[in-house]
Amino acid sequence: ILNVEQSPQSLHVQEGDSTNFTCSFPSSNFYALHWYRWETAKSPEALFVMTLNGDEKKKGRISATLNTKEGYSYLYIKGSQPEDSATYLCAFPMDSNYQLIWGAGTKLIIKP
Amino acid sequence: KAGVTQTPRYLIKTRGQQVTLSCSPISGHRSVSWYQQTPGQGLQFLFEYFSETQRNKGNFPGRFSGRQFSNSRSEMNVSTLELGDSALYLCASTQNPSSYNEQFFGPGTRLTVL
Repeated sequence: ILNVEQSPQSLHVQEGDSTNFTCSFPSSNFYALHWYRWETAKSPEALFVMTLNGDEKKKGRISATLNTKEGYSYLYIKGSQPEDSATYLCAFPMDSNYQLIWGAGTKLIIKP
Repeated sequence: KAGVTQTPRYLIKTRGQQVTLSCSPISGHRSVSWYQQTPGQGLQFLFEYFSETQRNKGNFPGRFSGRQFSNSRSEMNVSTLELGDSALYLCASTQNPSSYNEQFFGPGTRLTVL
């Protein structure tokens, strides 16, 4: 059974501080790794789809890295702002049929 | 371009009843996936439809079913509702099934079973 794990489960960060969290996934049969942000009362929204080992993607103050050999991805947020408060989800396609297996998410709360 | 829409947004049913939820994908998107989200759980995959065919199915009982129409709109049906079916049901669309395509989510339907 494939499993995608995220840590920590929740995180309180002071506004202005930088933070990061982890997504672990099976390292065999890698296809892609997805990151989504889910703000309260909104729909999940894609941040990154990462495909290559060593890949690093950036969107504003948010960036992500990928290590397919050891099966993890880090999401970094630089200079956290209140609008970064959300649950961050990662998902892993279990096979070439594309069915995504989702982690339980990291809930990020930014303290003003 | 209009986003993914889901109707209804909220629904209250009693045990034993059945319910139908609807999802309209982004125009041009032919793949629709359905997920269940309960407190403390990640998104649990229900099923995925592409070109009116069910491509994948998650580990849910047969009470959960779905279909897709020729215009790519999709419905999911839950029969003989149980209390544990109370959840947020999300649908997501993408142009074509692929490990590399991001999914676009609707606002969800909040189902409460009493």
